[in-house]
This record gives sequence, C-alpha cells and structure tokens, in this order.
Amino acid sequence: DQQVKQNSPSLSVQEGRISILNCDYTNSMFDYFLWYKKYPAEGPTFLISISSIKDKNEDGRFTVFLNKSAKHLSLHIVPSQPGDSAVYFCAASLEGGSQGNLIFGKGTKLSVKP
Amino acid sequence: DSGVTQTPKHLITATGQRVTLRCSPRSGDLSVYWYQQSLDQGLQFLIQYYNGEERAKGNILERFSAQQFPDLHSELNLSSLELGDSALYFCASSVIGGGVNTEAFFGQGTRLTVV
Repeated sequence: DQQVKQNSPSLSVQEGRISILNCDYTNSMFDYFLWYKKYPAEGPTFLISISSIKDKNEDGRFTVFLNKSAKHLSLHIVPSQPGDSAVYFCAASLEGGSQGNLIFGKGTKLSVKP
Repeated sequence: DSGVTQTPKHLITATGQRVTLRCSPRSGDLSVYWYQQSLDQGLQFLIQYYNGEERAKGNILERFSAQQFPDLHSELNLSSLELGDSALYFCASSVIGGGVNTEAFFGQGTRLTVV
C-alpha cells in the first residue's frame, strides 16, 4: 500500500517551458514533504522541501505547492533546462523534516528537450 | 560528490549467499540510513543508526541486519539471498539524527544482483 504516489512515470517538456511534477499521499500525519533529484549512477540529492503548515515554498526556478485538503503536492520548474533531466522523487516525513527516515514515491523521469 | 562512500559499487552473487555492503558517511555525520530501491519500487527505508545505536527501523527483512561501528562507518548484511533482493542499496548520512531540515546526503549506491 503506497503512501506516496507519483502516478506519472515520465514527463517530457521543451526547454524553457514549465515542468510540473505531481505527487499524491494518503497519510494525513505527514508533516514534511521533500523532492529529490536523481541522475543515473548517482544517489538522490535533496532539491526542495515544504512543511505541512505552508502551501508554497520557492527556491530559484523550483517551487513546491502543497494542497493538504487534496493530499497533493507538485513541483514546478520554470524555466526548464536540459540539465534538469533526471528522475524526481517525492518523499514524505513523519518526523518534522528529518530527511533520513522518509517514505518515497516511485519517481517521475523528466526529460527536457533542447 | 556527496561525501558518502559506498562499496562495492556492483555485486553479483548467488541465491542463498550472504553479502556485506559498506558505507562511510560524510566526515562529521553521526547518522547513517539504509535504503533499498527495487526495479519497480521507490526508495524503501530500511534502517537508521545514530552514533552507533539503532535509531529507527523501516521495512527491513529479518534476513537483513546492519550495524554502525565506532568510526561511524556502517555495514548492511544481507543473508539467505533471494532473487527478489536484487536492487540498488543506498546509504545516506546526516549530521544529527533527526529534526527539521536535517539534510541527508546519499551515496552512489551498491547494485546487488542475485542470480
């Protein structure tokens, strides 16, 4: 039973356009959500996070939106760049943001075309 | 380079065998986490150690065990291996054991293939 779901295994976007990656969760006790990026042959790297008490967090080209009533979050990348091509994992925490003990989705592979 | 070192990078072994995966955390990090990524699954949290003590346990099978040594490196032991244990095993480390914004840094992973 997956508590964190990324229903789109892949997404293709043109360079310069917006990439929107979606994530749904089932456990209303999650208090922190994170996005990780993973390149081939590398480990995941932390990208951006959001506390459950907020609905938006922005860091440069990356913005995460949280809709608690819908148990949905999304990652917006604007503008998308070819270097953003990677697998993006959504993750949730029950421990106030501790990034070790996380529940991950299966990932969405983003391809940004030049 | 995250500063977390995992060895070996690749491992091929037969069913029923036992293997040990090793992780050296970033310098100064006290906490180590192990994750498993199977072919069709996201990252599954297995276990966390903090300063030598088990801190949290996730979906770790009884055939698997881990420990963290005084020099803070950690080993994940997988025994009685089955085909389904084939996966990428990631280690991550963080400075402290938890709390808000405790960023964890992941190693490159060990790819285990059980044949």
